[in-house]
Amino acid sequence: NAGVTQTPKFQVLKTGQSMTLQCAQDMNHNSMYWYRQDPGMGLRLIYYSASEGTTDKGEVPNGYNVSRLNKREFSLRLESAAPSQTSVYFCASSQTGARPPTGELFFGEGSRLTVL
Amino acid sequence: AQSVTQPDIHITVSEGASLELRCNYSYGATPYLFWYVQSPGQGLQLLLKYFSGDTLVQGIKGFEAEFKRSQSSFNLRKPSVHWSDAAEYFCAVGARGGKLIFGQGTELSVKP
Repeated sequence: NAGVTQTPKFQVLKTGQSMTLQCAQDMNHNSMYWYRQDPGMGLRLIYYSASEGTTDKGEVPNGYNVSRLNKREFSLRLESAAPSQTSVYFCASSQTGARPPTGELFFGEGSRLTVL
Repeated sequence: AQSVTQPDIHITVSEGASLELRCNYSYGATPYLFWYVQSPGQGLQLLLKYFSGDTLVQGIKGFEAEFKRSQSSFNLRKPSVHWSDAAEYFCAVGARGGKLIFGQGTELSVKP
């Protein structure tokens, strides 16, 4: 049972390079999320997609773009990487709109990105 | 705006001792509250959640949490800590659109 799968797990970039983090879930969830985790900051929401075809900004969207490719896949793109984007990135999914709500997010194992 | 505060960045307890991790939230309506645990190098796993009803909720691995509306708190407790409980713990509040707003996290160390 794969759950939420993120690729790559590790990546080193130079300032100004671009890259895309891929995320796929096999739980048929309608909502997907990208968070970044930094020491002492907890997890901060970058973007989320409440359903296929929709995306919305979270707390820290600057410097990122997302694509909800289909119900399973939600990618995060850094167009011009900066050292401030060095972080661990987590993708998550959930089934929203259920009654009663479940509320639980299922997380991938994370992608560690270093920007030099 | 919704927010979550975990006042303790790092806590050390002895194995077998009791544990309480603090969480305070800010939310206009009745909150959905969660505790997640993150082992080193792993993603987050749900420990327990509160939506409504009984204010004392039980979770996995022997954890429980109590919702206190008057104090805007949702503290996590465990009567007897095991070495395997060493991890980082995150409190979160549910927001519109299914999003979760996380606290800064509390790192738990367990002394033998």
